[in-house]
Amino acid sequence: DAKTTQPPSMDCAEGRAANLPCNHSTISGNEYVYWYRQIHSQGPQYIIHGLKNNETNEMASLIITEDRKSSTLILPHATLRDTAVYYCIVTGTASKLTFGTGTRLQVTL
Amino acid sequence: GAVVSQHPSWVICKSGTSVKIECRSLDFQATTMFWYRQFPKQSLMLMATSNEGSKATYEQGVEKDKFLINHASLTLSTLTVTSAHPEDSSFYICSAPDGGANQPQHFGDGTRLSIL
Repeated sequence: DAKTTQPPSMDCAEGRAANLPCNHSTISGNEYVYWYRQIHSQGPQYIIHGLKNNETNEMASLIITEDRKSSTLILPHATLRDTAVYYCIVTGTASKLTFGTGTRLQVTL
Repeated sequence: GAVVSQHPSWVICKSGTSVKIECRSLDFQATTMFWYRQFPKQSLMLMATSNEGSKATYEQGVEKDKFLINHASLTLSTLTVTSAHPEDSSFYICSAPDGGANQPQHFGDGTRLSIL
C-alpha cells in the first residue's frame, strides 16, 4: 500500500470548514483513498473514500487531485464533536488497513 | 448501518490469567475480521487477520500462541490473550468489512485491557 503523509495537528474554529490534507505521491492506479477518524478512546469511524473522482456524503467531502498524488478531506462546518485524529489511508484492498500517525484536529470555540 | 460490537469494553485482571475478547458483526456476515492493538498516544497496529473456518494470519512479530484467534462463525471472532502480563496492557480493536472489495471497514469500540 502507498504511504501517506499528513500534518501531525491542525486547529479549526467551530463553524468553519476544516480542510485536512494528505499526500500520497506513490499511489498506484488501483488504490483507493480512505479517511477514518478516531475520537478519544473509541474505535475508528469510517468517513469517506474515493478512487479519482471527488466524493461527498453527509459527513464530509473528499477532493482528490487530478494526478491523485494528494487529497483533502473537508468537514464543511466543524463542531466540537469533530475533534479527533483523522487518518488518511491508501490501499488496494479495503480490508487490510495500515494506519499512519494521522492528523489530530482540534476544534475550538 | 453496519455495526460491529466488541465485548468487554474494558477488563482488569491479574498477571498470568487469560482474557477473551469478542467481536461480533451485528447485521452483516464477515468471513474476515481484523484485530488491532493500540498503545497510548500511538496509532493502530494490525495484529492479525481472522478468517472464518480457517487459521488466522498473523502480522510479523505477533506471537500466535500468545494471541489466540478463533473465527467460528460468520458473525463472531474472538481474541484470547493467554497468560497476560503487564506489557500486554493495551487497547484492542476489531474490525470487519461490510460487503465486497473496496467497501469500508466497520470498527468495534475497542477493549481496554489492563494487566496488574
